[in-house]
Amino acid sequence: QKEVEQDPGPLSVPEGAIVSLNCTYSNSAFQYFMWYRQYSRKGPELLMYTYSSGNKEDGRFTAQVDKSSKYISLFIRDSQPSDSATYLCAMSSDNYGQNFVFGPGTRLSVLP
Amino acid sequence: GAVVSQHPSWVICKSGTSVKIECRSLDFQATTMFWYRQFPKQSLMLMATSNEGSKATYEQGVEKDKFLINHASLTLSTLTVTSAHPEDSSFYICSARIGGALAKNIQYFGAGTRLSVL
Repeated sequence: QKEVEQDPGPLSVPEGAIVSLNCTYSNSAFQYFMWYRQYSRKGPELLMYTYSSGNKEDGRFTAQVDKSSKYISLFIRDSQPSDSATYLCAMSSDNYGQNFVFGPGTRLSVLP
Repeated sequence: GAVVSQHPSWVICKSGTSVKIECRSLDFQATTMFWYRQFPKQSLMLMATSNEGSKATYEQGVEKDKFLINHASLTLSTLTVTSAHPEDSSFYICSARIGGALAKNIQYFGAGTRLSVL
């Protein structure tokens, strides 16, 4: 079993839809969770950062962490064609960069 | 926000030559920088972790002598692909982590360098 799993997609949705992106993980030591967005041939851009369980909202984006289920989600409301990208989850067990792991990424296409 | 500049964005070179890629943190000090490789439609693959003033730590399977990493200052790390061959053609991305005991464990990425070896 991989340490972090993520559906690679591609996921296609119509403009305006609510998008749900998910990652599952196996290491219960993970405490810090991030979501990155990567456009084609660009470096990943940090979208959301959360610590431990709970929800965090930033504009159209909501990150959700359920440590008991080892499951994290990123919701995108009112999706736009400009949201079309690959979304990578990332997580770490401490604040010193040890054991920092990326998910494989989900390709999202928002169709106009 | 934290900005990481990576240069060049695209380089084409002949087989057998060496290529240097620079990664700079523009508005923060980065005690740790990371180098990744990414093939088309695949996820990031960590190549090495670079700490300022010390030798880089390479991931298993990454050739140290082929991918030379130097982190001489708190704002600059370089990756040199020595004697490049077509199989080294890939997208190389650096990231940097803000230093300090209170810093969050967040990596900020450069825009990436597309290397094409002919």
